[in-house]
This record gives sequence, C-alpha cells and structure tokens, in this order.
Amino acid sequence: DSGVTQTPKHLITATGQRVTLRCSPRSGDLSVYWYQQSLDQGLQFLIQYYNGEERAKGNILERFSAQQFPDLHSELNLSSLELGDSALYFCASSPQGQTRVNTEAFFGQGTRLTVV
Amino acid sequence: GENVEQHPSTLSVQEGDSAVIKCTYSDSASNYFPWYKQELGKRPQLIIDIRSNVGEKKDQRIAVTLNKTAKHFSLHITETQPEDSAVYFCAASPSGGSYIPTFGRGTSLIVHP
Repeated sequence: DSGVTQTPKHLITATGQRVTLRCSPRSGDLSVYWYQQSLDQGLQFLIQYYNGEERAKGNILERFSAQQFPDLHSELNLSSLELGDSALYFCASSPQGQTRVNTEAFFGQGTRLTVV
Repeated sequence: GENVEQHPSTLSVQEGDSAVIKCTYSDSASNYFPWYKQELGKRPQLIIDIRSNVGEKKDQRIAVTLNKTAKHFSLHITETQPEDSAVYFCAASPSGGSYIPTFGRGTSLIVHP
C-alpha cells in the first residue's frame, strides 16, 4: 500500500458527460501529480499541485481541470468526455519541494475511466 | 522541458537470462532517475533509483547505471524470473522547480519459464 488513495477504481460513463476523480495523498505529502495512461502509452503528465496551488501543467486538455483542497486531497475534473479519454488516471504524491532532495513519487491504484 | 526516450518497447527473455533497458534524457538539470515496475492492472512502484552523483547502484538482482555526460541510464536485471514480467518505466526528475518526473514510454518485459 503506497498510502495514496484514489476513488473510484472504475468509472464508466457516456460521451459528453463530466466526471470527477478523487485523490488523497500520503500523509504529509504536499505535492500531488496527475498522470494519464492510455493503452500502450506511457505515463503522460497532466498537472501538479503543491500545497493547494497549481505548480505545473503538462499535456492537459482544456476540458480537464484539477484542484487541491486545504486538506490536500485533489480532484481531477474531466468534462465533455470523448471516447479517446478512456484511460487509466493515476494520482501520485511526494514530498517534492519540502526538502532539497528529489524523492520518489508514490502512486495510487488509479481510476480506470471508460467512455462509451 | 525534459524528454525521456526508452528502449526497447518490448523485451522477451528466457528465465535466467539478463535483461537490459536503456533510457536517454535531454535536460542536463535532471539529477534523479527512478525506475518503476508496473504489473498488469496495478500501480507503478519504485524498484530502484539513482542520483546524479553516483554512477552505479545495485540491489540484489537489479542494477542501474548512469552516464551523465552522455545523458543515458540503464536498468539491468540478472537471473530473470517469471515474476519479473511487467512494464518497466524509467523517469528523470530535475533538481529544482516542480521536480516533475518525466517518464519514458515503458518497456514490456516478458520472461518465459
């Protein structure tokens, strides 16, 4: 168990709909990353939050947004869903930025989103 | 930004053979290089990492080497076992800023009994 919790584990929804994925980071970690993993694809970085503020953006579509709340949990909102958005969405947390030393990112179990 | 290339995309070996996965990175500011193993349907988990002040690191059957000048690093697995079958990802992370790890596209390792 990595200490990172993601809900739900599975989500099936129709095109055009909107969904929210939730992530609770490891206790004490201020950094949360969201990654998208499509079939046969690597881990595509979407967005990072640090202590409630957006820190960096990757290849995140305008239809997608995220936020991190005061209790440090994060939500990824996906709207106007398309078939191509079907993927495994991972949240990861780390103490990056809290020390001067790079450390590993701890991944949640992921949310498998299927758009039909 | 950082770009990480990983090869091969698929690697098939016989049990007991060695497996080598290679990665290159582009950003000279990267100083932390973790390797993750992802079993089917599961989350990526760190198996070994190396920092830029070290050229090689070993943990039992797994070793990682780093060549900062050439900007490449490799994962070596010796005496492979069927349970080593998984997708392996390399990553590179810069020394400051957002510390975002950039991942390679992954290598699917298949170990045949």
